Amino acid sequence: DTGVSQNPRHKITKRGQNVTFRCDPISEHNRLYWYRQTLGQGPEFLTYFQNEAQLEKSRLLSDRFSAERPKGSFSTLEIQRTEQGDSAMYLCASSVAMNTEAFFGQGTRLTVV
Amino acid sequence: AQKITQTQPGMFVQEKEAVTLDCTYDTSDQSYGLFWYKQPSSGEMIFLIYQGSYDEQNATEGRYSLNFQKARKSANLVISASQLGDSAMYFCAMRETSGTYKYIFGTGTRLKVLA
Repeated sequence: DTGVSQNPRHKITKRGQNVTFRCDPISEHNRLYWYRQTLGQGPEFLTYFQNEAQLEKSRLLSDRFSAERPKGSFSTLEIQRTEQGDSAMYLCASSVAMNTEAFFGQGTRLTVV
Repeated sequence: AQKITQTQPGMFVQEKEAVTLDCTYDTSDQSYGLFWYKQPSSGEMIFLIYQGSYDEQNATEGRYSLNFQKARKSANLVISASQLGDSAMYFCAMRETSGTYKYIFGTGTRLKVLA
């Protein structure tokens, strides 16, 4: 068990480009969360998967954002037509049950130039 | 709506001394969970300690303890015998007790341990 893995760790992209991040949760963790963290702030909830089903999306998740979790294993977060305001750390977390702590990955730091 | 407030943007502590990081919360739920996470410069959020709202005793995990005062809605983190490796951001969080059980985080406190 290597913990929650996120790739890439860093991504620099030009405004208007599309980017995709990947999260591999701890095996057998059926609950998966995406959070976004901007400088000086705590993580903010973006979306939640239980197995392959996306059960909640935050208002922060505009139409340019899409997340998937095929087969209930890894998850991807795609941002289309990136904007400078998308620059942030994107964190993934997983947990095995609703009453257990969530384990976080090291995040993907996105910089839009 | 649930809310977490951390009023200390930054704290300094001398190595080997104890430090308290403040956290207050707001919720109308009777059952809830409170967490503290550590975030070093590498970015990973590391789980430190958990307190359930019905737990009668304050949680402890090694050098970490949670000073839980339910009536005051506070859940302060106490780090004893500070080490240089404790320098990091610390986040207090509350977990929802229904729906997706997502976490609501505070803005964090940056702790610097001085040699």
